[in-house]
Amino acid sequence: DAGVIQSPRHEVTEMGQEVTLRCKPISGHNSLFWYRQTMMRGLELLIYFNNNVPIDDSGMPEDRFSAKMPNASFSTLKIQPSEPRDSAVYFCASSLGASGGPQHFGDGTRLSIL
Amino acid sequence: QKEVEQNSGPLSVPEGAIASLNCTYSDRGSQSFFWYRQYSGKSPELIMFIYSNGDKEDGRFTAQLNKASQYVSLLIRDSQPSDSATYLCAVNTDKLIFGTGTRLQVFP
Repeated sequence: DAGVIQSPRHEVTEMGQEVTLRCKPISGHNSLFWYRQTMMRGLELLIYFNNNVPIDDSGMPEDRFSAKMPNASFSTLKIQPSEPRDSAVYFCASSLGASGGPQHFGDGTRLSIL
Repeated sequence: QKEVEQNSGPLSVPEGAIASLNCTYSDRGSQSFFWYRQYSGKSPELIMFIYSNGDKEDGRFTAQLNKASQYVSLLIRDSQPSDSATYLCAVNTDKLIFGTGTRLQVFP
């Protein structure tokens, strides 16, 4: 079975540019989560969706970040404009049911903003 | 106080020994508890979850939960060098909160 698929795996871009990260959850999973991981702050939940609806976006750092889930098999996380402090590894995870169940992670996108 | 606390380590154990990883949490209403393993440069991988007080065993791994004392632990028996990784504890209240992880080193 295919796991959570994220793209791109690596992204290097200049400050001020728009960045779009993509995620395809495991088929049949109805919850999707976006995380950011840094050495300083560890793994932080940015936003999660249940049945394509954003449930909790309290972790989104500021208005420069936005996330969408137009259908059950696709989600995007967008940063516009990007800043060097956004450099991190961004993970997408999915689970069956609401937020309480086991989550399965994608391979992540390593983002570097110059 | 952090919501989920783990000792950052590194915890060093010899091959074949038992590794004991501990985690405490602050929210008494937490209902589900997870252990993830993360190799350097890789994504977190779910290895155990536990919902009820007591022990849950899966192969060389045992998760232990004590809700009264608000801690959850992971025991790894017969530790192998391939177990060397960072172990993340995650606790679910209304969302999953991760600890910062304990780095385990198993030396031959």
